[in-house]
Amino acid sequence: ETGVTQSPTHLIKTRGQQVTLRCSSQSGHNTVSWYQQALGQGPQFIFQYYREEENGRGNFPPRFSGLQFPNYSSELNVNALELDDSALYLCASSLGQFGTEAFFGQGTRLTVV
Amino acid sequence: QQQVKQSPQSLIVQKGGISIINCAYENTAFDYFPWYQQFPGKGPALLIAIRPDVSEKKEGRFTISFNKSAKQFSLHIMDSQPGDSATYFCAASINDSGGSNYKLTFGKGTLLTVNP
Repeated sequence: ETGVTQSPTHLIKTRGQQVTLRCSSQSGHNTVSWYQQALGQGPQFIFQYYREEENGRGNFPPRFSGLQFPNYSSELNVNALELDDSALYLCASSLGQFGTEAFFGQGTRLTVV
Repeated sequence: QQQVKQSPQSLIVQKGGISIINCAYENTAFDYFPWYQQFPGKGPALLIAIRPDVSEKKEGRFTISFNKSAKQFSLHIMDSQPGDSATYFCAASINDSGGSNYKLTFGKGTLLTVNP
C-alpha cells in the first residue's frame, strides 16, 4: 500500500508567478483535500475533491484552484503568487465522500520571494 | 474566528511523565475529533480520533477524553518518551452530507518536548 506522495518537496517562486503542486493519493482513496500550513500554525483547509469534482472550499481566493484526475491524483494551482502564499502545502487523501481518516503527505514547502 | 482553540502552545515533560494537551471548540455541529502528530519536515500523521458518542478512547499510551457539554477534548500521553517530542494538533470536522466532509479545522498546535 503506497502512502500519499507530493511533488516537489521544495519550491521557490517569484511574486506574481504561477505554481502547480501535485499529489498522488493513497491507494484506494478517492477523496483529496489540500491544506495550507503557515509557519508555526495549524493547517488551513483550502478545498477538497471527490471523484474529480470540488466538494467544498475554505476561505481562499479564486486564484487557488485545483484538479482531480481519474486516477484520483490531484493538482493545486496558485496564480499571481503573493509573499503570504509562502507556506507548507499539504495534501490529504481519504476514502469516500464520508470517509474516515485523512492521511497526509509530507507536503510541499513553497517560498515566494 | 478561531473555531478550535488549543493549549498550551508548548509543553516540556520529563521522560515517563504524562503530557496533557487541551482543545476547545465552538461549533456544536463538529462530530469528529482527531489528533495529529507532526515531526519537523513531515506531514501530520493521525494519532487517534474520537466521535462525540463516547467520552474516552484509548490506544496504547494515547487517550482522548471528550466532554461534549463543555465542548472540550484533550489528549493524554502516558509514559511520555523522547521520541514523542513533536508538534501535536487537535482538529475537528463535520460529517455534513451537503458540504465538505471531513474538512478539518485545526488548532494552532502544541510543541511537546520530552526530556530524557
